[in-house]
Amino acid sequence: EDQVTQSPEALRLQEGESSSLNCSYTVSGLRGLFWYRQDPGKGPEFLFTLYSAGEEKEKERLKATLTKKESFLHITAPKPEDSATYLCAQGFSGGYNKLIFGAGTRLAVHP
Amino acid sequence: GAVVSQHPSRVICKSGTSVKIECRSLDFQATTMFWYRQFPKKSLMLMATSNEGSKATYEQGVEKDKFLINHASLTLSTLTVTSAHPEDSSFYICSATPRRESSYNEQFFGPGTRLTVL
Repeated sequence: EDQVTQSPEALRLQEGESSSLNCSYTVSGLRGLFWYRQDPGKGPEFLFTLYSAGEEKEKERLKATLTKKESFLHITAPKPEDSATYLCAQGFSGGYNKLIFGAGTRLAVHP
Repeated sequence: GAVVSQHPSRVICKSGTSVKIECRSLDFQATTMFWYRQFPKKSLMLMATSNEGSKATYEQGVEKDKFLINHASLTLSTLTVTSAHPEDSSFYICSATPRRESSYNEQFFGPGTRLTVL
């Protein structure tokens, strides 16, 4: 069954305490691994797309990496404004660019 | 770039009425638009996929007669919840894929519509 699994479900960090979020995905038919940020009551905001193992992308305090079976979102020296739910999604080949989303990691960064 | 809007942002209606939600890509043409539903503290559940000028493809378990999707142009898709009931109350989010070769599965999301059915 095609599925995307994220861990941990929730993460509480102190400001400045770096950590990583994990996203495991099924291998068949990968057409991109996507990371989004979602604030409460809002739509997801696009962060990164990774297409092949070994690829890395960075944006401010966030860095996304991809292996053959999982992706990591590294958060370096987080600030309270980084608090949000982080969603990863796997893109599938074959028709209409469908994405399968994981359940998300709720991140809370405390001052 | 890649801005998607939704209207309305919030709607409250009585049971049995129909509600229409609009999704627009503001600065790009969308090959495909998607409709999702999200329950509190849960992830996004894909409801249907629509391409301009063709019938929507619904995910398993989604009633096509209940959730009518019209994709009138490359920048506009609408979701109509027909004969809404309290169990249809949810957060509905649309997304759109830009019409360019390099986009693959990239989807850009609207801000969502909170539907409450009394």
